[in-house]
Amino acid sequence: SQQGEEDPQALSIQEGENATMNCSYKTSINNLQWYRQNSGRGLVHLILIRSNEREKHSGRLRVTLDTSKKSSSLLITASRAADTASYFCATEDPPGTYKYIFGTGTRLKVLA
Amino acid sequence: SQTIHQWPATLVQPVGSPLSLECTVEGTSNPNLYWYRQAAGRGLQLLFYSVGIGQISSEVPQNLSASRPQDRQFILSSKKLLLSDSGFYLCAWSVRGFGMADTQYFGPGTRLTVL
Repeated sequence: SQQGEEDPQALSIQEGENATMNCSYKTSINNLQWYRQNSGRGLVHLILIRSNEREKHSGRLRVTLDTSKKSSSLLITASRAADTASYFCATEDPPGTYKYIFGTGTRLKVLA
Repeated sequence: SQTIHQWPATLVQPVGSPLSLECTVEGTSNPNLYWYRQAAGRGLQLLFYSVGIGQISSEVPQNLSASRPQDRQFILSSKKLLLSDSGFYLCAWSVRGFGMADTQYFGPGTRLTVL
């Protein structure tokens, strides 16, 4: 079955720098979503990009999708200490089944 | 507005004891409901999902079961817990409608430790 794989597994940056994390998947998708999880908490939806979109912005977040490479990237610009969290991509597998598969996550640490 | 509740927040249980985790959603009708488990520092593993009352799909064959006795209630159970059942259990809901995104909304989670 499809499994999102995030890269890198962990990332440590200074406050104010940009953070980029990547997600790869294996089969066709209708959309791809990114979520954030603060330590010990539930996940929070950040952004959804549809398969016919190539780029989407939301505040300091920028998501790109390359369906030919079956990959997506999440860019957080001007990072803040509050952005410290784990970030996951998720896809519906198979499309139209309501069944979602989450990736392994990228643990981001933003140093003040 | 919609809210999702999970309880208990933490649970410590001996091996072989039963388990019952409850999840309820308010403010929406006919949601899709999900149970996930997350091992420490790892990703989410889909355990069960339900698209309606009495409709439960199991993703991982194990000693856990799920039930949906009411439209907005989802229960995760076990008759006998194993050490490997320890983890962070997350309930989530989503609603699919025409033109709507398939966003999942997560509860606060239950941290289960089996000793």
